[in-house]
Amino acid sequence: AQSVTQPDIHITVSEGASLELRCNYSYGATPYLFWYVQSPGQGLQLLLKYFSGDTLVQGIKGFEAEFKRSQSSFNLRKPSVHWSDAAEYFCAVGSQTGANNLFFGTGTRLTVIP
Amino acid sequence: ETGVTQTPRHLVMGMTNKKSLKCEQHLGHNAMYWYKQSAKKPLELMFVYNFKEQTENNSVPSRFSPECPNSSHLFLHLHTLQPEDSALYLCASSLGDSVDYEQYFGPGTRLTVT
Repeated sequence: AQSVTQPDIHITVSEGASLELRCNYSYGATPYLFWYVQSPGQGLQLLLKYFSGDTLVQGIKGFEAEFKRSQSSFNLRKPSVHWSDAAEYFCAVGSQTGANNLFFGTGTRLTVIP
Repeated sequence: ETGVTQTPRHLVMGMTNKKSLKCEQHLGHNAMYWYKQSAKKPLELMFVYNFKEQTENNSVPSRFSPECPNSSHLFLHLHTLQPEDSALYLCASSLGDSVDYEQYFGPGTRLTVT
């Protein structure tokens, strides 16, 4: 069965610092991988996704993520964090052969300090 | 209105009440979803509809009853809920119900069962 682990519940970074949010997945075949962001009072918004090909994927708002099959990881990165990036971030995995049933992690809350 | 809207945004109900959550999408999508988001737990997929037909029921208790009269509207009828049903209920839509299609989320209904 698919599952996603986000080991960091809460991360605090200074504005302008780099960011890496960790995501590990469990899936028997090549997964579809996603990162979503949820700002307070809002629904989830897709940041980026990996289906196949280049293992480094670029997303919106300056985010990128790297798929590492050997480590079953899909970590999210941003070189310079802005105060508006404060939000909750969710990693999700989906099946290439199945319906649109995504399995989400428990999320990482990002706090940005001036 | 654009995107995915949900009403009401907040709902407090007693365990013997009957209420309904409404979701409407203005994106021309064909698939719609209900998710439950509880604190410190992964987002849980509850139901999936594609072209008004239910394609997924993720072992949801019968006190939650979905209705999809057309591809633009999705309801979740609630009756005799339990306090553990208190959560944020998110609606999403996508062009199709396969994982290739991005899901767009509404802002959610914060439900409190007293």
